[in-house]
Amino acid sequence: ETGVTQSPTHLIKTRGQQVTLRCSSQSGHNTVSWYQQALGQGPQFIFQYYREEENGRGNFPPRFSGLQFPNYSSELNVNALELDDSALYLCASSLGAGGDYGYTFGSGTRLTVV
Amino acid sequence: AQSVTQLDSQVPVFEEAPVELRCNYSSSVSVYLFWYVQYPNQGLQLLLKYLSGSTLVESINGFEAEFNKSQTSFHLRKPSVHISDTAEYFCAVRRAAGNKLTFGGGTRVLVKP
Repeated sequence: ETGVTQSPTHLIKTRGQQVTLRCSSQSGHNTVSWYQQALGQGPQFIFQYYREEENGRGNFPPRFSGLQFPNYSSELNVNALELDDSALYLCASSLGAGGDYGYTFGSGTRLTVV
Repeated sequence: AQSVTQLDSQVPVFEEAPVELRCNYSSSVSVYLFWYVQYPNQGLQLLLKYLSGSTLVESINGFEAEFNKSQTSFHLRKPSVHISDTAEYFCAVRRAAGNKLTFGGGTRVLVKP
């Protein structure tokens, strides 16, 4: 059973650029959630995708968008990058969208915006 | 909305000594409670969780946490720490009917020999 895989592991972008981060969910999981973890802080919920539909969103602007594919993998897209977008982006997959399903986290993508 | 407060940002502790990491939450509805551990340059790993039932939950590596509804707390304890327990620990809550985790700011545990 594979876990959650995120790519790339590290990324450096220039302010104003666009970035796409990718996540492969754990086998059998149909739900993917994305979190932003700024340096020295706890993760913040960006949004969740359940069966290819957005299923909840945190307090992030529309330039943060996502997709979920039929194989339940997911992408996080960030447009017009700002310096404050520098963070560790974590993907978590689960068997369902709520309830007592456990979340499996990937190792994250560290994004640096310069 | 839920919120989580971890009262200590850093906890230095000597090897084989006990440690307690404090977590308080606020919520107007029923919640599930979690502790996650993050080792350097890694993602989050679930340490233990409280969903219902017994208020004392244990992990396989010696940690335990107790849910106290009246004090809205979910403190994490370990009676004897190892060097390998050096990591950052995050307390999190989720509405029982919800889909997002709300995390505290984290507590960095540094175990000294």
